[in-house]
Amino acid sequence: NAGVTQTPKFQVLKTGQSMTLQCAQDMNHNSMYWYRQDPGMGLRLIYYSASEGTTDKGEVPNGYNVSRLNKREFSLRLESAAPSQTSVYFCASSLLVGEGHEQYFGPGTRLTVT
Amino acid sequence: DAKTTQPPSMDCAEGRAANLPCNHSTISGNEYVYWYRQIHSQGPQYIIHGLKNNETNEMASLIITEDRKSSTLILPHATLRDTAVYYCIVRVAGRRALTFGSGTRLQVQP
Repeated sequence: NAGVTQTPKFQVLKTGQSMTLQCAQDMNHNSMYWYRQDPGMGLRLIYYSASEGTTDKGEVPNGYNVSRLNKREFSLRLESAAPSQTSVYFCASSLLVGEGHEQYFGPGTRLTVT
Repeated sequence: DAKTTQPPSMDCAEGRAANLPCNHSTISGNEYVYWYRQIHSQGPQYIIHGLKNNETNEMASLIITEDRKSSTLILPHATLRDTAVYYCIVRVAGRRALTFGSGTRLQVQP
C-alpha cells in the first residue's frame, strides 16, 4: 500500500496564479483532511471531508476550495494564490472522523508564492 | 480545549529507552490521547493512542496515569532514526482537527 500520496512535491507560484494540490489514499478510508504547516508552527486544518460527497471548513479555510472527487481522492485548490499561502500542505486520511481514529499523513507539498 | 504541555527538548542515548512526558490536566473523560512524530519536515507519523488503559504496539508504549492528567510515551530502544519532534495531542470531543502544539524535540545521541 502506498498510503497517502500527494502531488506535486514542490511548487512555486506567482501572486494571483491558481493551482490544485492532489491527494489520494489507498487505505479505503472514509475521511480525508487538508492541513497547512507554516515554518516553526504546528499544523492547522484547512478543510476536511468526513465521507465521500461531504466537505466542511476547518480552522483556516479562506482562500481555498476543496473537492472530494471520490472515496480515494481529495483535492485542494488555490484560486488566487497569495504570499501568505506559502506553506507546506499535508493531506491526511482516517477510517472515520472522530475520537479513536488515527490520521495518516502524506509527505506534503511545499508551496512558495512570490 | 484540553491543552497539553511537553518539554521542548530531550536527549536520549542510542539503545536506551526514551520516556517522553505529557501533561493534560484538563482532559475530559471521552478524550483520547494521541502521539505523533514528525521527522525533519516529513508528514506527521502516527505512533499510538489511548483512552484510559496503557497501550503498546510495535513502535512504542503509552502509559496514562489513573487520573488521566498525564501520560508518557516510551520508545523502548531508541535509535538514531527516532530523532524527531514528538507531539502529544488530546483530541477535543467533536473537533475534527488534530491540534499540533510545539511538541518535544527528541535527539537520539550515538
